[in-house]
Amino acid sequence: DAGVIQSPRHEVTEMGQEVTLRCKPISGHNSLFWYRQTMMRGLELLIYFNNNVPIDDSGMPEDRFSAKMPNASFSTLKIQPSEPRDSAVYFCASSLSPGLAGAVTKNIQYFGAGTRLSVL
Amino acid sequence: GEDVEQSLFLSVREGDSSVINCTYTDSSSTYLYWYKQEPGAGLQLLTYIFSNMDMKQDQRLTVLLNKKDKHLSLRIADTQTGDSAIYFCAERGQGGKLIFGQGTELSVKP
Repeated sequence: DAGVIQSPRHEVTEMGQEVTLRCKPISGHNSLFWYRQTMMRGLELLIYFNNNVPIDDSGMPEDRFSAKMPNASFSTLKIQPSEPRDSAVYFCASSLSPGLAGAVTKNIQYFGAGTRLSVL
Repeated sequence: GEDVEQSLFLSVREGDSSVINCTYTDSSSTYLYWYKQEPGAGLQLLTYIFSNMDMKQDQRLTVLLNKKDKHLSLRIADTQTGDSAIYFCAERGQGGKLIFGQGTELSVKP
């Protein structure tokens, strides 16, 4: 398996522009996570999906951020309009989560290589 | 609430042992994890431990879990320069998400 694939690897844009980050999870995984990593705040969970449904978006910083998962093999994180303070590395991760309530599994998350976003 | 704490930096000499410590708050966590992040890369799972275990060994890595004190440690024996990276401790939170610590930057000097 190719692992979690993110694109682009690097994105440089100007303030006010729309930015779309893309993620292809590992085939067969049913949970997908978007994280942001900065020096100041470390690794932050933005949103996660289970079976393509957003479960917890409490980490999304503001309305400028939106995420979608139209099918099991693709997700996007969009920032519109982008601001310099959005500059960070954005990671996508996927895992196989239990389908039954109460089931306990290792729940290992596999990370993509990240997208380094610079907003000028 | 769920929270994971780690020290930010550790520096060791090549060949010495490294011990990275972590404390967590959720006593109901079933699994705890150690991830490694090399420069410019994503996080890679190093090892994990189930909460009913006290210790897990995997080659140069030893994980110790003290449930009473909610303390987790990662020991790397015979540390090499290639072990220089950021190490993240994580606990399994509600709904399948992971709660990560801030990461410990390990620097290995030759």
